[in-house]
Amino acid sequence: NAGVTQTPKFRVLKTGQSMTLLCAQDMNHEYMYWYRQDPGMGLRLIHYSVGEGTTAKGEVPDGYNVSRLKKQNFLLGLESAAPSQTSVYFCASSKSWTADTQYFGPGTRLTVL
Amino acid sequence: AQKITQTQPGMFVQEKEAVTLDCTYDTSDPSYGLFWYKQPSSGEMIFLIYQGSYDQQNATEGRYSLNFQKARKSANLVISASQLGDSAMYFCAMSLNQGGKLIFGQGTELSVKP
Repeated sequence: NAGVTQTPKFRVLKTGQSMTLLCAQDMNHEYMYWYRQDPGMGLRLIHYSVGEGTTAKGEVPDGYNVSRLKKQNFLLGLESAAPSQTSVYFCASSKSWTADTQYFGPGTRLTVL
Repeated sequence: AQKITQTQPGMFVQEKEAVTLDCTYDTSDPSYGLFWYKQPSSGEMIFLIYQGSYDQQNATEGRYSLNFQKARKSANLVISASQLGDSAMYFCAMSLNQGGKLIFGQGTELSVKP
């Protein structure tokens, strides 16, 4: 049982490049989330999904797109990376909005030069 | 506006002593959940404890307990018998009746001294 996995673990991009972060969960959870964590701060929600085929904006969605084509996967895309997007990205999942636990992936450390 | 506030950027505690990490929240939603997560230097987010807004009893999980005072809108984490491995960042978070997404505080860095 892998839980929540994220690919890749580390990435360095140049300004303007694009990339996709992959999140996968094997717990059959309906809800999935993408957060970012900047130095000295708590996590902030980028986008989330309440089920396959659905996505919604969170607190800081600008510059990111997401897709949830399969229930177990939630992709986060950066079309044109900017230095302000240098951060650690966490994916999480939960079985419902009333769930008492959100399970987090190990994080992806992204640096944009 | 929904908000989580952690007013202690850093805390020190002696090994084997108890420590309380403060968390206050602001929401007008009657249904919400309160979480505490631990983030060690390795970076992963480790779930510690959960309290629902309608729960009558304070949540406990081993050495962790959540001191939930609804009228004061506080959800402090109490760690009993601190261990060196408890040194980490601790985040308080709140989920609302809107898709389960979490709102995080800025965290408290706990250092346990031998």
